[in-house]
Amino acid sequence: EVQLFESGGDLVQPGGSLRLSCATSGFSFRDSAMIWVRQAPGKGLEWVSTISGSGGSRYYADSVRGRFSISRDNSKNMLYLQMNNLRVEDTAIYYCAKEREYYAMDVWGQGTTVTVS
Amino acid sequence: SALTQPASVSGSPGQSITISCTGSSSDIGGYGFVFVSWYQQHPGKVPKLLIFDDSDRPSGVSERFSGSRSGSTASLTISGLKTEDEADYYCSSYKGNGAYVLGTGTKVTVL
Repeated sequence: EVQLFESGGDLVQPGGSLRLSCATSGFSFRDSAMIWVRQAPGKGLEWVSTISGSGGSRYYADSVRGRFSISRDNSKNMLYLQMNNLRVEDTAIYYCAKEREYYAMDVWGQGTTVTVS
Repeated sequence: SALTQPASVSGSPGQSITISCTGSSSDIGGYGFVFVSWYQQHPGKVPKLLIFDDSDRPSGVSERFSGSRSGSTASLTISGLKTEDEADYYCSSYKGNGAYVLGTGTKVTVL
């Protein structure tokens, strides 16, 4: 069974930093691009970042570019999101998701909550 | 910016409803490399993939869910509406270079 489990969410002050982790199992992690999506309280889903299977290509939403950094450790089947210079508007549930063929997110973690206040 | 969806759509059990998702030439209306997907999210739950590649269903997703795309608009149709379909629905379009744009979300109410 494919499983994703996020951790690292916390309450942090504006300007602070956090590192989110996503532990994965049940699929060939190194062959899969991975995605971070967030959802602010009572709001819709927002794509945050994508990383290729090798980790060599990384993409960011304009709202986080220059502040967030996505990375992965294929030896540990782990995905990360380093978040710096956090803003109040970064408050959200952060989900990691696996990208499938034809560019869709077919498996999601349960989410981890980041509160910037 | 986000793809545009109606804020809410409602229907009675057994009816069919359609949710629209409007984009632009830089996403849904783009030429060639366009991939639209749809997600269902029940309150307090994790999003679930319903449709990928405009109209394909993952294994295990009910045939009552179908997708289509024409021009800059994608659509999700739910046939034979059930109370369990009451949820939020989001469209997504792959924009290339690893980037996605998601829709504003539609709340489906079963009357």
